[in-house]
Amino acid sequence: GAGVSQSPSNKVTEKGKDVELRCDPISGHTALYWYRQSLGQGLEFLIYFQGNSAPDKSGLPSDRFSAERTGGSVSTLTIQRTQQEDSAVYLCASSSWGSIGAGELFFGEGSRLTVL
Amino acid sequence: DAKTTQPTSMDCAEGRAANLPCNHSTISGNEYVYWYRQIHSQGPQYIIHGLKNNETNEMASLIITEDRKSSTLILPHATLRDTAVYYCIVRAGGTSYGKLTFGQGTILTVHP
Repeated sequence: GAGVSQSPSNKVTEKGKDVELRCDPISGHTALYWYRQSLGQGLEFLIYFQGNSAPDKSGLPSDRFSAERTGGSVSTLTIQRTQQEDSAVYLCASSSWGSIGAGELFFGEGSRLTVL
Repeated sequence: DAKTTQPTSMDCAEGRAANLPCNHSTISGNEYVYWYRQIHSQGPQYIIHGLKNNETNEMASLIITEDRKSSTLILPHATLRDTAVYYCIVRAGGTSYGKLTFGQGTILTVHP
């Protein structure tokens, strides 16, 4: 597609349930990033992929969070046993892995997660 | 990646130039300066980036001081739609792409 696509755009779930958030990056972009943004806060890095591997998972807040990427394209962020503090907008971005200094990130519109 | 310091907020009159400063005194030789902005309820948007030379594109100009310890993003004719949070980020180039670390940014308010 023309841009980064995320689904669902909105998700309301009950505490303790599992959720899956999907990101479809720009075609041909080899790098994919997940961030989250709580209400009124800045962007918090979660994880990034280069191809299907994740060189940096340092931002995942707990072992309830996991992410995978298959075929060098679509990525899924899974949150198990959701807690109220997981409520946030989850943003996905992709970039090409090209020449030095390139690689600007293109962001999707985000998935807004509300945990009741 | 080097840390950046930006003012918390700035105001600008519509049609005037908006000059957003950023300090990055610990920047390394291989680190680029990136600017992004986030309009309310949207994902961040790339604006411009540079290494040592000044850069200009259709959105903005980036002025980097000779010692590279600070930079200024210039929106030449600000409009109401430029009201957003502006993030200045430094990140290594070459093979060290990895994540972009966003700070708190500058809230720019463009008023009529």
